[in-house]
Amino acid sequence: GAGVSQSPSNKVTEKGKDVELRCDPISGHTALYWYRQSLGQGLEFLIYFQGNSAPDKSGLPSDRFSAERTGGSVSTLTIQRTQQEDSAVYLCASSHDTLMERNTIYFGEGSWLTVV
Amino acid sequence: LAKTTQPISMDSYEGQEVNITCSHNNIATNDYITWYQQFPSQGPRFIIQGYKTKVTNEVASLFIPADRKSSTLSLPRVSLSDTAVYYCLVGKRQPGNTGKLIFGQGTTLQVKP
Repeated sequence: GAGVSQSPSNKVTEKGKDVELRCDPISGHTALYWYRQSLGQGLEFLIYFQGNSAPDKSGLPSDRFSAERTGGSVSTLTIQRTQQEDSAVYLCASSHDTLMERNTIYFGEGSWLTVV
Repeated sequence: LAKTTQPISMDSYEGQEVNITCSHNNIATNDYITWYQQFPSQGPRFIIQGYKTKVTNEVASLFIPADRKSSTLSLPRVSLSDTAVYYCLVGKRQPGNTGKLIFGQGTTLQVKP
């Protein structure tokens, strides 16, 4: 597709269960980002992938959160033993890593996670 | 990464020009200034980017003074559909940038009829 694709769009899970959120970046984009946004709040940086470089994981809130990016394309964000405070929309974004477009990132519609 | 400060919220009326100012006192020489717009229930989208002076596109204008310690996003003749959160980001556009773009709280613009 033309844009960043995320799935599922909505997920309701029970506390303590694991969830996986998927992101398909725009074709050709080498940089991929995950952000989290709680209701009424700003965007919280989680993790950044750039090509084959080691990801910047400095925003992951706890060791229950992990992410991987296979083949330099699709990324999966995994949340283990979900807690109610994990309820938020998880936004994925991608960008070219060229000089002209480094700061222009394109967001998906997000995966809305509700932990009950 | 340079820290940014924006007003938390602003109100305007349809047809007015809206100016949102962002402060970034510790902006670095090779930092660029980028603005994003976020509608409810959607991811942010790029509006405009600049380095110095003035940049204009079909959506907005961006004014950057000579010292680059602030920038102003100008939205001409706003409509109700411009009600959104506007984020100012400052970051490098050079090789070696980790890409860790940090969004602040943004400015919530409410356009009234």
